[in-house]
Amino acid sequence: GAGVSQSPRYKVAKRGQDVALRCDPISGHVSLFWYQQALGQGPEFLTYFQNEAQLDKSGLPSDRFFAERPEGSVSTLKIQRTQQEDSAVYLCASSDRGGPWTGELFFGEGSRLTVL
Amino acid sequence: AQSVAQPEDQVNVAEGNPLTVKCTYSVSGNPYLFWYVQYPNRGLQFLLKYITGDNLVKGSYGFEAEFNKSQTSFHLKKPSALVSDSALYFCAAKAAGNKLTFGGGTRVLVKP
Repeated sequence: GAGVSQSPRYKVAKRGQDVALRCDPISGHVSLFWYQQALGQGPEFLTYFQNEAQLDKSGLPSDRFFAERPEGSVSTLKIQRTQQEDSAVYLCASSDRGGPWTGELFFGEGSRLTVL
Repeated sequence: AQSVAQPEDQVNVAEGNPLTVKCTYSVSGNPYLFWYVQYPNRGLQFLLKYITGDNLVKGSYGFEAEFNKSQTSFHLKKPSALVSDSALYFCAAKAAGNKLTFGGGTRVLVKP
């Protein structure tokens, strides 16, 4: 596709359920980022991949959060045993260079997770 | 730790008037600074960046931003606002590493 695609767009989970959020970056983009955006706040960094290598996972809030990009294209963010505080919009972004300092990250529309 | 502050939650401006959205930053080393815009039901879109060089940076849709090192500011400006500029604007900074730190966002409402 022409842009970054995320699915599902909306997910409602009961507390304790596991969820998986998918990101299809722009074809050929080397870098992939996950951000968490709580209601009324700016995006907060979760993790960064360069190709299939996860180079930075310092933003993952707990060991319940896990991300992978096994073939260097599609990425999945998995949240185990969801808690109410996990409710947020999860944004995926990709870049065609080896880092965001070149300026332009292309963001998907996000996956809105609501944990009841 | 680096941080980005956007002191205004919302900015209201009449169509045709100048628009300014404020941003201050705190990073170690030379900052790379960015503005992104988020329209309703759309993903964040890149507007412009400052890496080095000219302090006045021009970007998409007629927006520009001025880097001021002494005031650690990177305010977004547009000389004549349009109703279609109504959106959520985020300032972001990068220092070391591969992550952007975003401000909390400023909602811009341009009234006809």
